[in-house]
Amino acid sequence: AQKVTQAQTEISVVEKEDVTLDCVYETRDTTYYLFWYKQPPSGELVFLIRRNSFDEQNEISGRYSWNFQKSTSSFNFTITASQVVDSAVYFCALYMSSYKLIFGSGTRLLVRP
Amino acid sequence: DSGVTQTPKHLITATGQRVTLRCSPRSGDLSVYWYQQSLDQGLQFLIQYYNGEERAKGNILERFSAQQFPDLHSELNLSSLELGDSALYFCASSAPSRGEQFFGPGTRLTVL
Repeated sequence: AQKVTQAQTEISVVEKEDVTLDCVYETRDTTYYLFWYKQPPSGELVFLIRRNSFDEQNEISGRYSWNFQKSTSSFNFTITASQVVDSAVYFCALYMSSYKLIFGSGTRLLVRP
Repeated sequence: DSGVTQTPKHLITATGQRVTLRCSPRSGDLSVYWYQQSLDQGLQFLIQYYNGEERAKGNILERFSAQQFPDLHSELNLSSLELGDSALYFCASSAPSRGEQFFGPGTRLTVL
């Protein structure tokens, strides 16, 4: 079965706090891609990062960092020093050889001033 | 701006009607994907086209159909509309050999 689980439905933090969004995936494919997308209140889906199944290096981009662990089938996303503009719904997604992109149910992040 | 365009932005119609949603991919992208986002079903993959040919099918109803034209733009046709078809419909495109998909702004369909 192919599946993406984002167990955190909603997270609320105060500005400048660090926050980690969890993502656990299931697939039998050995080659796959994992993604994170951001959906701000305006509704568009914004691509944040792609990671392929052979590259377990963690990545940092400004205040964003991603931790990919194949052993636990997790691809977690951390925002450091959160800001109000980070408030959005964040989706983790899995892309496999079937050409389908499977999304998790999303985590709504609210950053309060 | 992702470079993917979708028209119209909003569409309000009645049950039983038929509508067409249009998508233009980013320049150079051969793949086009359609997704439906509703409150109860989340983001669902509908269908993918690659260079004019259907490549993958997801949870697309028989009342829905799509095509990709020689200029690579795509249309999603929704017919015999029901209240439950009200949703945000996204189109995305991706480059050959790249996995990431870039999404258009979406078309919000309201069926009354």
